[in-house]
Amino acid sequence: QSALTQPASVSGSPGQSITISCTGTSSDVGGYNYVSWYQQHPGKAPKLMIYDVTNRPSGVSNRFSGSKSGNTASLTISGLQAEDEADYYCISYTSSVTYVFGTGTKVTVL
Amino acid sequence: EVQVVESGGGLVQPGGSLRLSCAASAFTVSNNYMSWVRQAPGKGLEWVSVISSGGRTSYTDSVKGRFTISRDNSKNTLSLQMNSLRPEDTAVYYCARDVAAGTANWGQGTLVTVSS
Repeated sequence: QSALTQPASVSGSPGQSITISCTGTSSDVGGYNYVSWYQQHPGKAPKLMIYDVTNRPSGVSNRFSGSKSGNTASLTISGLQAEDEADYYCISYTSSVTYVFGTGTKVTVL
Repeated sequence: EVQVVESGGGLVQPGGSLRLSCAASAFTVSNNYMSWVRQAPGKGLEWVSVISSGGRTSYTDSVKGRFTISRDNSKNTLSLQMNSLRPEDTAVYYCARDVAAGTANWGQGTLVTVSS
């Protein structure tokens, strides 16, 4: 049950686009379309941003989008805003009937 | 409004036990996949355990044999019995409905501190 691999940090200027990767294996990310992404601000509970690889919950900005290729899922934030500065985590269902989170990525808006 | 509220956290000595509870509102616990997720101070999210709508349970390796997830359908609550606690179990514990689905809902968490 190794954590999915994410870059420790990603940064961008306001208005730019950034992409966060989430790399697993064929037993998790690559094997199922059950990948979600969470945003977490300091001291707050995580907030769901993307589910089932590409779907956005109601109320989440369309600046957030998800995709997957092979064993790697990605979260793209377009038109980066100061409020997007937070930690981001991916999570995937696994073949062991468990879930696994990514290592987390700190997004900094320059 | 859909809501989950955790309780039961606190300070416990290594080797001790603690039982966390999660009260659900506006949805039925037994109809959903309910998970516990934890976050150690300054660290990332770690999935701990799940109970499916069918009652099947799963655990992360580090808690197998020590933690037990269960639900009380009559009270619409979820529980996590934690035994043989270790300092590395210190974390904020979150209760979450459908943690990797579009219907995900999380509580605000309850802090568990394992220390002598």
